[in-house]
Amino acid sequence: DAMVIQNPRYQVTQFGKPVTLSCSQTLNHNVMYWYQQKSSQAPKLLFHYYDKDFNNEADTPDNFQSRRPNTSFCFLDIRSPGLGDAAMYLCATSRDRDRAEVQFFGPGTRLTVL
Amino acid sequence: GQSLEQPSEVTAVEGAIVQINCTYQTSGFYGLSWYQQHDGGAPTFLSYNALDGLEETGRFSSFLSRSDSYGYLLLQELQMKDSASYFCAVRPNSGYSTLTFGKGTMLLVSP
Repeated sequence: DAMVIQNPRYQVTQFGKPVTLSCSQTLNHNVMYWYQQKSSQAPKLLFHYYDKDFNNEADTPDNFQSRRPNTSFCFLDIRSPGLGDAAMYLCATSRDRDRAEVQFFGPGTRLTVL
Repeated sequence: GQSLEQPSEVTAVEGAIVQINCTYQTSGFYGLSWYQQHDGGAPTFLSYNALDGLEETGRFSSFLSRSDSYGYLLLQELQMKDSASYFCAVRPNSGYSTLTFGKGTMLLVSP
């Protein structure tokens, strides 16, 4: 089945220790998104890739970086995690920019910062 | 800018019908989407209204009225498994046109 896969599902890191979350998709979609979601809140878009074109949200901290080496994979790097970065990180895809209304989400990675 | 308002919580009983409203203030958008998210799970796309009117998909229906800046998700024949958070979202017709989500409505279905 075509899907969005995120690894790991749970990640524990120490304060200030870099961490990388990964996302892969078999949908062959052009657009990939990274969201941060805290408890009882809406998903907050961090950035998205349209093909290889990277688009950062204005309020995304510099501490968050992303890479998309090919169509299928996208990575979220948190350079120096703080306690406030503990959250669920969701990867999503859409077929194209003009189909952003319909997004397919991965199961998420829950990040704990000690 | 964009602003979407939803009730924070709605409760209902099995078999009932419930309507989750979404009012918005946005300068322009392509359409209104709805997503379901179970506790600890990922959001799942439910429906999309590009035009005014009602869209029906099984037990779920979604409605949009641009003139009233209002939409809703209607859930019929409620089941316990419908207990989840429901988010409305719009894609503004400016900038990079990514989705803006409402804060979500937690639906609690009781026996």
